[in-house]
Amino acid sequence: SQTIHQWPATLVQPVGSPLSLECTVEGTSNPNLYWYRQAAGRGLQLLFYSVGIGQISSEVPQNLSASRPQDRQFILSSKKLLLSDSGFYLCAWSEVTLNQPQHFGDGTRLSIL
Amino acid sequence: GDSVTQMEGPVTLSEEAFLTINCTYTATGYPSLFWYVQYPGEGLQLLLKATKADDKGSNKGFEATYRKETTSFHLEKGSVQVSDSAVYFCALKNNQGGKLIFGQGTELSVKP
Repeated sequence: SQTIHQWPATLVQPVGSPLSLECTVEGTSNPNLYWYRQAAGRGLQLLFYSVGIGQISSEVPQNLSASRPQDRQFILSSKKLLLSDSGFYLCAWSEVTLNQPQHFGDGTRLSIL
Repeated sequence: GDSVTQMEGPVTLSEEAFLTINCTYTATGYPSLFWYVQYPGEGLQLLLKATKADDKGSNKGFEATYRKETTSFHLEKGSVQVSDSAVYFCALKNNQGGKLIFGQGTELSVKP
């Protein structure tokens, strides 16, 4: 069966420091991959999605970037974190078939000090 | 563009009460519809789905029917438990890059 791993679970970083969050999927090939941010108050914002290695689409202009160096690996990065980057970051994957749902990781709680 | 609207929360119910969380959508074509649940401090879990009109998704006592005529996908459960306390998200998926469009979420609190 397919599984998704996201780490770390919790991260506290100072303003101006770099960031790297990693997500990997097992048990499937060529999945679509997604990064979301969930700020306080529950709403989900799609940050990036990828339909293949090296193919990244950005949904909103921001201080973050994403990369997909391998088929089942998706990385969220920043060179210099801002206070506004605090939040709960969720990675998700889906099959490329049209009607398939997305499956989410357990999330990373990022706090910027 | 496509959108999903959920009823405002929080919804507070007593154990064994009947639950309805309303969800309506706007979309071109024939989207697939989903309900996700998020327990405190966790990621989202798929609760149920429906891929065409009149389909009924069901799981763990929850049900939702894809109503194209009213563009709705209301979530129902006949008897809620304290363990059902969570935030519930309605979402649709259209044929545009496989992206999910989420509602704003509805918090459910069930009291013993």
